[in-house]
Amino acid sequence: QSALTQPASVSGSPGQSITISCTGTSSDIGYNYVSWYQQHPGKAPKLMIYDVSYRPSGVSNRFSGSKSGNTASLTISGLQAEDEADYYCCSYTSSSSWVFGGGTKLTVL
Amino acid sequence: EVQLVQSGAEVKKPGESLRISCKGSGYFFSTYWIGWVRQMPGKGLEWMGIIYPGNSETRYSPSFQGQVTISADKSTSTAYLQWSSLKPSDTAMYYCARHPGGFDSWGQGTLVTVSS
Repeated sequence: QSALTQPASVSGSPGQSITISCTGTSSDIGYNYVSWYQQHPGKAPKLMIYDVSYRPSGVSNRFSGSKSGNTASLTISGLQAEDEADYYCCSYTSSSSWVFGGGTKLTVL
Repeated sequence: EVQLVQSGAEVKKPGESLRISCKGSGYFFSTYWIGWVRQMPGKGLEWMGIIYPGNSETRYSPSFQGQVTISADKSTSTAYLQWSSLKPSDTAMYYCARHPGGFDSWGQGTLVTVSS
């Protein structure tokens, strides 16, 4: 099972919006079980989006998820300094397993 | 409050065995999948496998099948990840996480260092 493909890095200025893509195949992203995680240095990951576009309780509505074909996306609007972190997508697969993306480092300029 | 508390950091020699644990509280342990995730130093997250404590159904990533064993004891609300013969390449942070729909709660991580 190959890792999902994410850009290595993205950046944006405070107040702007950014989008992180996550590309896979019909055997993984094709399912509607894509989730996104935020990880600050030295911390455990935190769930930001599940089932493509649902936000857990307590997660800011500045975070949103979507999917088109075999590419899922995480959009962060109104970028804030505290959003600077690594972001990972994750998908259920046709092998009844899960797979993560390689991760994207978000820099807030 | 849902909590997953993992066992402490370990330093082991190559060839040694190891079992690390993940104790759940604040929810009905048996009815949620618990997954294990590896993060090697400076690298990304890797999904290793998952277990349903209610019936011990277990699934492994092909990359980890045969390399580790995942188990759970629902009587103590604890999941385990074990190795029979560690390698230096097993040096990493290991996380457990609950999965109701997305991995919604994570343990604090267990750092495993394998060095001669």
